[in-house]
Amino acid sequence: NAGVTQTPKFQVLKTGQSMTLQCAQDMNHEYMSWYRQDPGMGLRLIHYSVGAGITDQGEVPNGYNVSRSTTEDFPLRLLSAAPSQTSVYFCATTGETGELFFGEGSRLTVL
Amino acid sequence: GNSVTQMEGPVTLSEEAFLTINCTYTATGYPSLFWYVQYPGEGLQLLLKATKADDKGSNKGFEATYRKETTSFHLEKGSVQVSDSAVYFCALMWDDYKLSFGAGTTVTVRA
Repeated sequence: NAGVTQTPKFQVLKTGQSMTLQCAQDMNHEYMSWYRQDPGMGLRLIHYSVGAGITDQGEVPNGYNVSRSTTEDFPLRLLSAAPSQTSVYFCATTGETGELFFGEGSRLTVL
Repeated sequence: GNSVTQMEGPVTLSEEAFLTINCTYTATGYPSLFWYVQYPGEGLQLLLKATKADDKGSNKGFEATYRKETTSFHLEKGSVQVSDSAVYFCALMWDDYKLSFGAGTTVTVRA
């Protein structure tokens, strides 16, 4: 019963490199989302998806792409990493009562 | 817009002390309100929630009451333990599962 699984847990990139943060869930939830967590700013919504084939932008989408080809997977792509994208990233699913279930987070450093 | 303002930390307490973390919100309509907790090295998890005015959410000795007249959802616990050391986030839900989070309050409880 894994819940929400994120990989990798840690990653260091150089400016301009691209990468994908993986998120997989086994809870059969339709709604999935990506947040970034920065000191003093709480969590901010990057992108979300209400179901397979449907994605939309959140509060801070610039520099990130997502896709949702299956209910289970919701990868987040950084197209050309910048130091401002140094952060901790959380994937989450939302249950029927509105409760969010978070992964353990992915700590990204961009040099 | 929809936003949450919560008390800035860090907060340091002794075991068995009383804890209160203030949270106020700005929202259109009647959002659901949440407190999430993040233990060191982990993702966020739901602590408690309230979905309408005057509702009281409670869990693990923590309580918060949805006050529409003061637009507040303050978190309280009467006697904290070392295991309560964590970061606490107030959040409101708007527009089909989108959440706005406060900046988070770091609480450290000393034995």
